[in-house]
Amino acid sequence: DAGITQSPRHKVTETGTPVTLRCHQTENHRYMYWYRQDPGHGLRLIHYSYGVKDTDKGEVSDGYSVSRSKTEDFLLTLESATSSQTSVYFCAISRDSPGTDTQYFGPGTRLTVL
Amino acid sequence: DQQVKQNSPSLSVQEGRISILNCDYTNSMFDYFLWYKKYPAEGPTFLISISSIKDKNEDGRFTVFLNKSAKHLSLHIVPSQPGDSAVYFCAASGIDSGAGSYQLTFGKGTKLSVIP
Repeated sequence: DAGITQSPRHKVTETGTPVTLRCHQTENHRYMYWYRQDPGHGLRLIHYSYGVKDTDKGEVSDGYSVSRSKTEDFLLTLESATSSQTSVYFCAISRDSPGTDTQYFGPGTRLTVL
Repeated sequence: DQQVKQNSPSLSVQEGRISILNCDYTNSMFDYFLWYKKYPAEGPTFLISISSIKDKNEDGRFTVFLNKSAKHLSLHIVPSQPGDSAVYFCAASGIDSGAGSYQLTFGKGTKLSVIP
């Protein structure tokens, strides 16, 4: 199994509060991704990173920001959480670009925004 | 606009029989396809992949078939086992027409139940 951890695994917060989710990998992979999974939507890409300090938006990036200051860590921040951001968040990694390589997923973070 | 479609939300199969999960895509730029399995409260687990230069790829009990002209792929599991009960996601990669870069696009998933 790929060495990917996510923290926290569960979080309950209130509308309007900032939230940061952390993804940590021990595989030294270049690419890292944040997805959210919601019923009826499958997995949707929020943001991804193709190197330290190099990030780009995905399909559902509004309301989210990311940072990657080290190869092993990719942070997802909700500046002001809303109830629509209640979801399960998955981090993924790949050695090469999505067009040529497999993505491996972490265990997920279940976020509830009240 | 859903570019990867898994039209069957659920599928039930007897243990020992074949499970066939289907996936259709609309973006002709997709050239790499993957299947993931997901158990409740866990992250998706990679199962098998296929590139557009092939039409079949096997790994043990799992075989993926790709029909490029029909923009259709399928995952065959033979024989099916109770431990295969999970949600299966089809995913496709290629130039995203909106983002202008390679993205991995997922279907909504099919829940497979293998009945002992």
